[in-house]
Amino acid sequence: QSVLTQPPSVSGAPGQRVTISCTGSSSNIGAGYDVHWYQQLPGTAPKLLIYGNNNRPNNRPSGVPDRFSGSKSGTSASLAITGLQAEDEGDFHCQSFDNSLNTWVFGGGTRLTVL
Amino acid sequence: QLQLQESGPGLVKPSETLSVTCIVSGGSITNTNYYWAWIRQPPGRGLQWIGSFYFGGTTYYNPSLKSRVTISVDTSKNQFSLSLSSVTAADTAVFYCVRRARACSGDCPFDLWGRGSLVTVSS
Repeated sequence: QSVLTQPPSVSGAPGQRVTISCTGSSSNIGAGYDVHWYQQLPGTAPKLLIYGNNNRPNNRPSGVPDRFSGSKSGTSASLAITGLQAEDEGDFHCQSFDNSLNTWVFGGGTRLTVL
Repeated sequence: QLQLQESGPGLVKPSETLSVTCIVSGGSITNTNYYWAWIRQPPGRGLQWIGSFYFGGTTYYNPSLKSRVTISVDTSKNQFSLSLSSVTAADTAVFYCVRRARACSGDCPFDLWGRGSLVTVSS
């Protein structure tokens, strides 16, 4: 049981837009901690995709296309992917900090399928 | 360019101690601008932070694992290690070593990951 809740799977056709939600609580996202997103392609390690920065939730490391964007509101955050491509298929994980558990916490991951 | 590479035993028996090492190349583990961490991922499941440290500072552990975990550092080999004692099948996972900056405007992400080392706990 992960502290942050994500849908197990999402899907979309090439070119479409999908969103992945990440729901937390008042001790993590709702407490104002930044939310970060990681992409894990099949058989590989997670890679930083989007990072929050002092409540600016949509920052991309160098090389990440602007088709990926993050947002945050209240106790939830979302990752949006526009112009879906076959190479986007994989798992996406959200992450934040929890001040009740005093640990960095993750969502259970969402599997993206490009139809 | 800094790289992280995990090295583990592959298979550990129940009740024994699991040990995984992370070799850091292209940069120094004594760089106090960074935390170094362990994160694990059981097969088909989500990620779990195990612990973090920065050179010369405090080591932090996940409270749910603290009684069984030790993170140690070998600066002569530029590597750090994870020991997890009294393992069970539930500890079967891919173990990742990860870097995290110490100073960001907000909360720093885990920005660099090793490729991971699968450790299976089985008799």
